[in-house]
Amino acid sequence: DIQMTQSPSSLSASVGDRVTITCRASQSTNNYLNWYQQKPGKAPKLLIYSASSLQSGVPSRFTGSGSGTDFTLTISSLQPEDFATYYCQQSYSAPHTFGQGTNLEIK
Amino acid sequence: EVQLVESGGGLIQPGGSLRLSCAASGFTVSSYYMSWVRQAPGKGLEWVSVIYTGGSTAFADSVKGRFIISRDNSKNTVYLQMNSLRAEDTAVYYCVRGVGPWGQGTLVTVSS
Repeated sequence: DIQMTQSPSSLSASVGDRVTITCRASQSTNNYLNWYQQKPGKAPKLLIYSASSLQSGVPSRFTGSGSGTDFTLTISSLQPEDFATYYCQQSYSAPHTFGQGTNLEIK
Repeated sequence: EVQLVESGGGLIQPGGSLRLSCAASGFTVSSYYMSWVRQAPGKGLEWVSVIYTGGSTAFADSVKGRFIISRDNSKNTVYLQMNSLRAEDTAVYYCVRGVGPWGQGTLVTVSS
């Protein structure tokens, strides 16, 4: 099974900040790497798929990068609606494992 | 518009069985891989199971041998049959098309 390690587990930032969340896979995911945003009481929302492809309707301040085993989600300028929990997931091979999540909080 | 609507959750005693349904609209379930993902209260996301377009399936070790995933193409619906339920299966269960979108989830509570 591919293990996904996400860091940091929590992050405090201010509106306008640039933030980066990292995700490392225990073996190559062949770039089948997805990023999700989840707000309390809501279903997760797809932000990025295939490591760097922006899902339709997602603001361009969200950027995914990386390849192989190391991936990054960057939010270029935090907006109030971006404070949420973020998860990475590999969909290369079953089980399609998730990272443990990053809770992005307002500083 | 693509939509996924889960149903079938509820309170069930340990050892019991429950069948979750995921009714899809706006696309054909047999044309995408479909997954179930769960989230225990206050915890992160846990992948549970997948059914691929060809009909093959896979399960998390935590549910292997107890859960069955299937689909009914005529009803455009995906199912998760959950047997021998345990307290640790308590979670919101989400249905997902490929990598998205996700349904709104259905809560399963396993408790005596």
